Amino acid sequence: GNSVTQMEGPVTLSEEAFLTINCTYTATGYPSLFWYVQYPGEGLQLLLKATKADDKGSNKGFEATYRKETTSFHLEKGSVQVSDSAVYFCALSDPNTDKLIFGTGTRLQVFP
Amino acid sequence: KAGVTQTPRYLIKTRGQQVTLSCSPISGHRSVSWYQQTPGQGLQFLFEYFSETQRNKGNFPGRFSGRQFSNSRSEMNVSTLELGDSALYLCASSFGTSGGQETQYFGPGTRLLVL
Repeated sequence: GNSVTQMEGPVTLSEEAFLTINCTYTATGYPSLFWYVQYPGEGLQLLLKATKADDKGSNKGFEATYRKETTSFHLEKGSVQVSDSAVYFCALSDPNTDKLIFGTGTRLQVFP
Repeated sequence: KAGVTQTPRYLIKTRGQQVTLSCSPISGHRSVSWYQQTPGQGLQFLFEYFSETQRNKGNFPGRFSGRQFSNSRSEMNVSTLELGDSALYLCASSFGTSGGQETQYFGPGTRLLVL
């Protein structure tokens, strides 16, 4: 079945460091891929998405490229800020439904 | 444009009781999905409603049910509450017409504590 695997957290970085959070997926067909972010006490916010192979999603300095050959959708940011501290979820959308399948989430902690 | 709203935000119940949670989608969205978030199981899909019909269902017992009204607002109900039902319940809305390519927009969630 469809599934998403994310790197374990927490990821601890100093401000202005480079961020990578790994995400790989298993899916039949051609799913859309998403990164959502959850701040403490809040729901999920869409960070970026990609709907087909080689698409690059980007938002607020974050980027991720849909790599079909490696079934990956790694999240990157060149220079993190303290305000980026949150939990990041990689997800895929079943091609035939609106059901989202999430990874376990990766907590990012950024220190000044 | 108003976002997805959920009420109540917090709820405390005791085992054996039942609970109803409400979700109002973004205006124009006809699909509402519900997810359960727990530390142990992560985010799990409960069900999706589109145009007042349940279109997809996750792997949860029959104690979990839902419905959708003609204005697309949705409710989910959990009967005979168990301690393990303590969770953050999130709803998400989308237009629901483009299969898996659409973005789902999430509400702030209802945090349910079962004692």
